Amino acid sequence: EAEVAQSPRYKITEKSQAVAFWCDPISGHATLYWYRQILGQGPELLVQFQDESVVDDSQLPKDRFSAERLKGVDSTLKIQPAELGDSAMYLCASSPGQGRPNTGELFFGEGSRLTVL
Amino acid sequence: TQLLEQSPQFLSIQEGENLTVYCNSSSVFSSLQWYRQEPGEGPVLLVTVVTGGEVKKLKRLTFQFGDARKDSSLHITAAQPGDTGLYLCAGERDYKLSFGAGTTVTVRA
Repeated sequence: EAEVAQSPRYKITEKSQAVAFWCDPISGHATLYWYRQILGQGPELLVQFQDESVVDDSQLPKDRFSAERLKGVDSTLKIQPAELGDSAMYLCASSPGQGRPNTGELFFGEGSRLTVL
Repeated sequence: TQLLEQSPQFLSIQEGENLTVYCNSSSVFSSLQWYRQEPGEGPVLLVTVVTGGEVKKLKRLTFQFGDARKDSSLHITAAQPGDTGLYLCAGERDYKLSFGAGTTVTVRA
């Protein structure tokens, strides 16, 4: 069964360092999402891509976070410099939807857990 | 402030008991999804409800969408330890999907 692949599963870094997460969505899925989930809370959307274009990054802290999906397939989320408050699970999801998360299902990866010391 | 409020935040019950989880908002949603998330994993979709008043059943799970499409509930009958997890509701509004904070359900054997 096709899955959303994410790496690394776990990352420990010191504050002020740079960190990057990678996501490979299910083949053929046009829409890719990056969510941040703080322990005990629901996922919060950071950025949504439709193919290679950003359709929503209104909640992305652009002073330190960046995301790209250059060829409309896999994606990278970068944080530089990392802060203590960035400790969270970073979830990638994909859907076949054409630009809007209608009644279609979001398929999530296992996530990348970040700890900033 | 969360667009979707889930209650209770935590729920611990004995195997065989019933439970209900609520998802409420003052906003109207085009559709509402329920996900279950196990520790260290990503959320997995359980159901999507679209029509006001809609009721969907998935084995021992019953999902209801409020008539005004502002709220939803999830009822589990005869809960089993395998039902343990974080239950998240997510509402679609203005082409965006927003998640609630979730209800952590623990079913004791």
